[in-house]
Amino acid sequence: AQTVTQSQPEMSVQEAETVTLSCTYDTSENNYYLFWYKQPPSRQMILVIRQEAYKQQNATENRFSVNFQKAAKSFSLKISDSQLGDTAMYFCAFMKQIRDAGNMLTFGGGTRLMVKP
Amino acid sequence: NAGVTQTPKFQVLKTGQSMTLQCAQDMNHNSMYWYRQDPGMGLRLIYYSASEGTTDKGEVPNGYNVSRLNKREFSLRLESAAPSQTSVYFCASSEARGAGYEQYFGPGTRLTVT
Repeated sequence: AQTVTQSQPEMSVQEAETVTLSCTYDTSENNYYLFWYKQPPSRQMILVIRQEAYKQQNATENRFSVNFQKAAKSFSLKISDSQLGDTAMYFCAFMKQIRDAGNMLTFGGGTRLMVKP
Repeated sequence: NAGVTQTPKFQVLKTGQSMTLQCAQDMNHNSMYWYRQDPGMGLRLIYYSASEGTTDKGEVPNGYNVSRLNKREFSLRLESAAPSQTSVYFCASSEARGAGYEQYFGPGTRLTVT
């Protein structure tokens, strides 16, 4: 079974600064996907960024980027130029493929990020 | 498109009562999922349906049943609610074919069992 660990329960950052959220995972799979989801106080789960394990290049989406270290099984999220709207819970998640249909997500425990003005 | 919708948004049950959480998606997705989120924790998979007519257990299926009514709808039933089932329940959907497809989540149902 896969496990996903987020070792930072809470973090804070000043507006406009950069912050990095950590995530490690354990799996025996070779092909998989990794995700970061954001959950603001509204509770809605919002996809932030996705990384395919077979791609060496780190994914980037505007101010969000990842540092994917496959051998170390590490997948950190960097948020640049932090904005007040980035305040949320952030969940790292692992996806393997279930047979030929459907995909199971395993989530970490989350990191609560507060962006301070 | 409404995406993934869930009803109700909030519910309070007494121990032993039953209820059904409803979920519907309008994105023509094949796969649907039910998760629960306990306070301060990540989401855990209860059941999933890879395609219409199939359902399978996830990580925490005990105390729940599901029905994939048609391609759009996937319901979760608690036959005899227990305080340990107090949680926020999320429904999600995704494309079935290929790996790595994003799961789209509903707004969640906050359930309290007293």
